[in-house]
Amino acid sequence: DAGITQSPRYKITETGRQVTLMCHQTWSHSYMFWYRQDLGHGLRLIYYSAAADITDKGEVPDGYVVSRSKTENFPLTLESATRSQTSVYFCASSDQGVNEQYFGPGTRLTVT
Amino acid sequence: SQKIEQNSEALNIQEGKTATLTCNYTNYSPAYLQWYRQDPGRGPVFLLLIRENEKEKRKERLKVTFDTTLKQSLFHITASQPADSATYLCALDMNFNKFYFGSGTKLNVKP
Repeated sequence: DAGITQSPRYKITETGRQVTLMCHQTWSHSYMFWYRQDLGHGLRLIYYSAAADITDKGEVPDGYVVSRSKTENFPLTLESATRSQTSVYFCASSDQGVNEQYFGPGTRLTVT
Repeated sequence: SQKIEQNSEALNIQEGKTATLTCNYTNYSPAYLQWYRQDPGRGPVFLLLIRENEKEKRKERLKVTFDTTLKQSLFHITASQPADSATYLCALDMNFNKFYFGSGTKLNVKP
């Protein structure tokens, strides 16, 4: 299916566990982004990638790791989950950095 | 640090009226500004992009203005409909590839 997908859509994990959120896009967009959305904070950029093997930090990168070995995939890993990482995570892609971003449906992550 | 302010209070208007949403920012001069719509439980959807050298941009019933002197963007929906009810987010580029999003303003259009 064309578009941008995220998996899982819902995840409950325990404090200290490692969890990976997946993001896949079929447009061959160069840019991909990870955001988290919390009440009162809006969308905050965690990491972004301008191309395969090129990643950079956003506004709130601590506690997260990303990789981009293929253009279409941009996984986000929480190496040791904390309760403060409970949030809704959105992945997005764009053909150019300043152009419109296409967002995935989101992953709701709960850390207990 | 960059600060983007959108009215956190919901905007309630009557169907057929023009809705005007505000995005104010400080401490930066973005070259690009975007507006998105977000429905509950869904990801944001892009609506309009405006560049710093463009004062105004239109798309169907939507109009965006960008005043770099006031550090403000206004987003207008004319002839509003109940289907326009959603949260509207503004986003500004910090530098070329990074965008800061506001927390959004919820619009309620009553029939």
